[in-house]
Amino acid sequence: EPEVTQTPSHQVTQMGQEVILRCVPISNHLYFYWYRQILGQKVEFLVSFYNNEISEKSEIFDDQFSVERPDGSNFTLKIRSTKLEDSAMYFCASSGEGAWTEAFFGQGTRLTVV
Amino acid sequence: AQKITQTQPGMFVQEKEAVTLDCTYDTSDQSYGLFWYKQPSSGEMIFLIYQGSYDEQNATEGRYSLNFQKARKSANLVISASQLGDSAMYFCAMREPYSSASKIIFGSGTRLSIRP
Repeated sequence: EPEVTQTPSHQVTQMGQEVILRCVPISNHLYFYWYRQILGQKVEFLVSFYNNEISEKSEIFDDQFSVERPDGSNFTLKIRSTKLEDSAMYFCASSGEGAWTEAFFGQGTRLTVV
Repeated sequence: AQKITQTQPGMFVQEKEAVTLDCTYDTSDQSYGLFWYKQPSSGEMIFLIYQGSYDEQNATEGRYSLNFQKARKSANLVISASQLGDSAMYFCAMREPYSSASKIIFGSGTRLSIRP
C-alpha cells in the first residue's frame, strides 16, 4: 500500500541552526501539506502546496519557514534559525485530486531544539 | 471560520464494549469532508474513516462507523467491540473544499484508554 515517508524520524538540533525535514508523498498525489503537533497538543496546519507553489499558509508559517518540491518526488520543510519552541512533531501529508479524498500522513519527524 | 469540537478529553472503556467519541463541527460551507484519525503512542497519524457532507449513508470501515447527523453538525465515531490496541488519541477533522488544496482542520482530540 502506498504511503507517505518522512525522514528523519528524529532530529535534534542546536538552537539557531537550520533544519530540513524531508517527505516523499504518495506518487500520484497532487496536494501536499505540513502540520505541526507540539507534544500533547493539537495538530496545527502550517502550509499547503499545489502546482509548485504555496496554496495556503497559517500564521505560524512565517519567514522562518519555507517549503520546496525540488525534484518532483521530495517535499521539504526548511526551518531557519530554529528556536526552542519549534520543538514538535512535524507531519507531512498528501492527497489526491478532488477535495473529497482523505489526506494520508507520514509517520512524522520529531524535532527537538536544544 | 472552521471549528471542530471534541468535548471528551479522555475516556476509559472496558474491552469488548462499544465506544462513541463525540465530534461537532461548525461551518458555513455546504460541501465539506469529515475525517477521523487515530494517533497511537508511537505518534503516527492513521486515517480511519471519511464522510462527505453529501453522503446520505453513514460511513463504515470494519469496526469503525461514523454517526453523521448533518442538521446537528455532529460526526461521532463509533468503535464496536473495542480492543486493547484501540487505546490511542483520536482526532476528528474537517476539510472544506472551497479550494482544491483545502487544508484539514483538527479538533483537540480524545484520549481513549481500553481496560482489559
